[in-house]
Amino acid sequence: QSALTQPASVSGSLGQSIAISCTGTGSDVGGYNFVSWYQQHPGKAPKLLIYDVKTRPSGVSNRFSGSKSGNTASLTISGLQADDEADYFCSSYRTTATLVFGSGTKVTV
Amino acid sequence: EVQLVQSGTEVKKPGESLKISCKASGYKFSDYWIAWVRQKPGKGLEWMGIIYPGDSDITHRPSFQGQVTLSADPSISTAYLQWNSLKASDTGIYYCARLGSYRSGWADYWGQGILVTVSS
Repeated sequence: QSALTQPASVSGSLGQSIAISCTGTGSDVGGYNFVSWYQQHPGKAPKLLIYDVKTRPSGVSNRFSGSKSGNTASLTISGLQADDEADYFCSSYRTTATLVFGSGTKVTV
Repeated sequence: EVQLVQSGTEVKKPGESLKISCKASGYKFSDYWIAWVRQKPGKGLEWMGIIYPGDSDITHRPSFQGQVTLSADPSISTAYLQWNSLKASDTGIYYCARLGSYRSGWADYWGQGILVTVSS
């Protein structure tokens, strides 16, 4: 079962906006509005940023936003801050009642 | 406050058995699915399987089917992940996480992770 495809790395400057893509197929990202995004700092557990494509949990900064077009979902981080430097993973529901993560993207600020 | 507290670091030899735990608090344990996620050293995240403590319904990711056993004890709000015979390739960090929604599959609370090292 292959992972969803994410760019290995994305970089940006303080205050800029960046976008991370997450590409799947019609059996996962494209077929359902069940994409979530996680942030993971080194040595820490993942933290939920976005669920159901674009919903932010309570307490998550509105600098994080999600969207989807066809088989590709995207996480946008606006007003980049030093603490945004971390690994980011997307996840999707996949047909056959399984879940699949993306390959992960390292964000460098 | 919702918390998932996992048991401590493990160092095992190939062929040994292991059972790690994830104790939940701050919510009704039997009402939410618990997922197990593996992260090999320096690598990405992998969903291993999910269990519903209310009735022990389990869904494994196919690549983990038969390799690990998921279980839960609602009386002590604890989920378990078990191996009968560890391999070196099982080395990694194992997280438990609460699924806020089964179908949507988003995990809103995570344990701190358990480092499992399997080496001769």
